[in-house]
Amino acid sequence: EAGVAQSPRYKIIEKRQSVAFWCNPISGHATLYWYQQILGQGPKLLIQFQNNGVVDDSQLPKDRFSAERLKGVDSTLKIQPAKLEDSAVYLCASSSTGGEQFFGPGTRLTVL
Amino acid sequence: DQQVKQNSPSLSVQEGRISILNCDYTNSMFDYFLWYKKYPAEGPTFLISISSIKDKNEDGRFTVFLNKSAKHLSLHIVPSQPGDSAVYFCAASATSGNTGKLIFGQGTTLQVKP
Repeated sequence: EAGVAQSPRYKIIEKRQSVAFWCNPISGHATLYWYQQILGQGPKLLIQFQNNGVVDDSQLPKDRFSAERLKGVDSTLKIQPAKLEDSAVYLCASSSTGGEQFFGPGTRLTVL
Repeated sequence: DQQVKQNSPSLSVQEGRISILNCDYTNSMFDYFLWYKKYPAEGPTFLISISSIKDKNEDGRFTVFLNKSAKHLSLHIVPSQPGDSAVYFCAASATSGNTGKLIFGQGTTLQVKP
């Protein structure tokens, strides 16, 4: 079974630039999560999708972050414009309904 | 508001000995707890979980203990192996409402010395 795929693996941008991350969940998984992991901290949930609907986006900074999951499969997380404090690893995870979350390898973002 | 805390940033043990990683939580609504293991440049992988109706769950070398009255859980690894060296995250969930949202602790870096 293929795991959760994410790209790019690494990204370096200047502050105020835009960036997008892509996630392809495990086939058949209805639930998709985006987490932000700042160095020295645990992952923090940014947004959760059930199929293509948003279940929880309470921790998503909506003035600069946006996410979509078209057709209930792949998802894209965008930051526009980026700030220095957005430097982190962005993790995507997926699960079948009520099941264990499987994580992708993450995208390490550095904002200069 | 840190609802899940891992107060030890790091732990070093000798190969073959026991590793004990600790986790405290504050939200009494949490009723499902998990441990994840993370190697560098990889995503976290699920290790073991426990429901609040139990106080112990074992899986091979890994045992998780839950003390609900103290709002404390611990992960025991016996015997520890060098391949266990990784960052370990404790996570908690309130299954009522069942969105599956996990709240993670800060992580503990375990180093197992040969």
